[in-house]
Amino acid sequence: TQLLEQSPQFLSIQEGENLTVYCNSSSVFSSLQWYRQEPGEGPVLLVTVVTGGEVKKLKRLTFQFGDARKDSSLHITAAQPGDTGLYLCAGAGVNTGFQKLVFGTGTRLLVSP
Amino acid sequence: EAQVTQNPRYLITVTGKKLTVTCSQNMNHEYMSWYRQDPGLGLRQIYYSMNVEVTDKGDVPEGYKVSRKEKRNFPLILESPSPNQTSLYFCASSLRTSTPYEQYFGPGTRLTVT
Repeated sequence: TQLLEQSPQFLSIQEGENLTVYCNSSSVFSSLQWYRQEPGEGPVLLVTVVTGGEVKKLKRLTFQFGDARKDSSLHITAAQPGDTGLYLCAGAGVNTGFQKLVFGTGTRLLVSP
Repeated sequence: EAQVTQNPRYLITVTGKKLTVTCSQNMNHEYMSWYRQDPGLGLRQIYYSMNVEVTDKGDVPEGYKVSRKEKRNFPLILESPSPNQTSLYFCASSLRTSTPYEQYFGPGTRLTVT
C-alpha cells in the first residue's frame, strides 16, 4: 500500500510568516495534488503537478514536485488568516492510476492575525 | 452552479440499521468516488466508479456497498452499520478526460453509529 506522510501535522504561526509543508513517500507517483479543506467543507483542489522537478506558483503558494516524484512541498509566503485550513496532498500511483488517489494524513495550519 | 451534493449532512443511527447516503453531481462527470476521513488517517477511498454500472473497490470497502445506475448519482449503502463506521464521508466526482483527475468534493456527511 502506498503511503503519503505529511509534516508537520500541525502548524500555528503569525500572519506574515513563511511556512513549508512536506509530503513524502517511498513510492513513485505519476502526479501529485494539493487540496485545502476548511471546517465543514470538502477538500478543494489547489494544484496538480505531474513532472519531476516541476514548480507551480499560485499567488503566495509555491508547489514543488520532487525530482524522483516521491515527494512534494507546499510553501506559503507571508501567510494570512485566510490560509488557515487543512492541507492535504494526494498522489496517483504509477501502477494504480488516477482513479485510486492516495491521500496524505494532512497538515492543519492556523494563521493568527 | 456546478456542485456535488450529499444527503444527509449529519446522521446518527444505531448498529445494524441499514442506511444510504446519497451523492449527486450536476457536472456530467463520469468518475465518482467515496472516501471516509478519520483523524490521523486522512482520506481513504471506499469505492469508486468509472462510469454507469462500473464500480470497483478502493482501499477500505468492507461493510459498504455502492451502485451507479445513473451517471449523476452514486449512493453509498451501509447494510449493517457498526460503530467503527462512525466517520466523515465525502463523495467526489471528476471528468475522466481531465487527467490527472481534478476531483470536486461534496460537503461531507458526518455519520455516528451507536
